[in-house]
Amino acid sequence: GAGVSQSPRYKVAKRGQDVALRCDPISGHVSLFWYQQALGQGPEFLTYFQNEAQLDKSGLPSDRFFAERPEGSVSTLKIQRTQQEDSAVYLCASSRRAAGGASYGYTFGSGTRLTVV
Amino acid sequence: GDSVTQMEGPVTLSEEAFLTINCTYTATGYPSLFWYVQYPGEGLQLLLKATKADDKGSNKGFEATYRKETTSFHLEKGSVQVSDSAVYFCALRVVEGGGADGLTFGKGTHLIIQP
Repeated sequence: GAGVSQSPRYKVAKRGQDVALRCDPISGHVSLFWYQQALGQGPEFLTYFQNEAQLDKSGLPSDRFFAERPEGSVSTLKIQRTQQEDSAVYLCASSRRAAGGASYGYTFGSGTRLTVV
Repeated sequence: GDSVTQMEGPVTLSEEAFLTINCTYTATGYPSLFWYVQYPGEGLQLLLKATKADDKGSNKGFEATYRKETTSFHLEKGSVQVSDSAVYFCALRVVEGGGADGLTFGKGTHLIIQP
């Protein structure tokens, strides 16, 4: 597609429910990132994929968070047993280049706003 | 660890005013620096970037110069328009060979331009 597509746009979950957030990167993009943006804050790095390999998951806040990209294109961020502190906008970004390039840029999706009640 | 500090908002200006949004950083390595903009209801968009000291990034009338001596990357525009109203994020990325390189963002500055 022309841009990075994320779905759903909005998600309301009851505390304790599991959720799955989807990211469709730009076709052919090698790198894919997930970020978490709490209200009034800047985005914070969660995890990074190069094709299907998850090379960095150091930003995942707990073992309730899990991300996958099994075929190197679409990615899913799963949050188990959601808590109120998980409420945030989850952003996905992709890039046609692999990590390490100093000058390449990312294309961000519009995000999924998760509200845990 | 790496961090970015930018001036808190909201910043409210009149149309055609001069804009400065301050950004300073700390980094363990040699970072690339970015400004991203988020318009209401839209995703983050790259506004400009600079990859080495003294580089000037520019786009849509906005400019920022990579100042290594003051670890700063202040955003400026000579004459703002109502359409510039958005949230602006300063960010850095430390490039390390072979590793992942997620962006480190500041908290964002909400800019409001009044006609």
